[in-house]
Amino acid sequence: GAVVSQHPSWVICKSGTSVKIECRSLDFQATTMFWYRQFPKQSLMLMATSNEGSKATYEQGVEKDKFLINHASLTLSTLTVTSAHPEDSSFYICSAAGLGTDTQYFGPGTRLTVL
Amino acid sequence: GQQLNQSPQSMFIQEGEDVSMNCTSSSIFNTWLWYKQDPGEGPVLLIALYKAGELTSNGRLTAQFGITRKDSFLNISASIPSDVGIYFCAGNSGNTPLVFGKGTRLSVIA
Repeated sequence: GAVVSQHPSWVICKSGTSVKIECRSLDFQATTMFWYRQFPKQSLMLMATSNEGSKATYEQGVEKDKFLINHASLTLSTLTVTSAHPEDSSFYICSAAGLGTDTQYFGPGTRLTVL
Repeated sequence: GQQLNQSPQSMFIQEGEDVSMNCTSSSIFNTWLWYKQDPGEGPVLLIALYKAGELTSNGRLTAQFGITRKDSFLNISASIPSDVGIYFCAGNSGNTPLVFGKGTRLSVIA
């Protein structure tokens, strides 16, 4: 149980394009989903928290207009990196938590490379 | 804000040895979680702790939620090569987001 998937697992795009990453909870309903980014040899940095049906809460320093988050259902959240630039290249990981629990289950991550 | 101090940063051990790593927080936590991350993959939950003093095992792994609620440790017994990876502690209090430690990079020498 508690499986979270991400798609795509990796993506290469040109500078200026937008990239959408999907995060799905496969066997449970996730009232809250989280988006992290991770640079090499560093810990996870929380970007935003999203609750189903409401606007995401972004961490300080994360541009909400650049990283668009949609949590349209209890099993799907999407992160869209708009007008991507090389400095946006990173490993993006989502996690999901069920109702009333703090335990987060992580997806396998998406490696984004912006040329 | 909440801060987590995870130590050691890295460990090199011989196969078969036991391993211990720990995390301390600057404030009281209600939840402690331990994850393992392999290169290029997302973290995988190893053990979840919800009560002060709780001691939980998962195979060769044992973790404890400190009595003060400000610390937790993870032990791995009889390490094997597949234990290699980065181990993260994480915790929070109430409805605050999880705070992650900086990770312990474990290398196992066969």
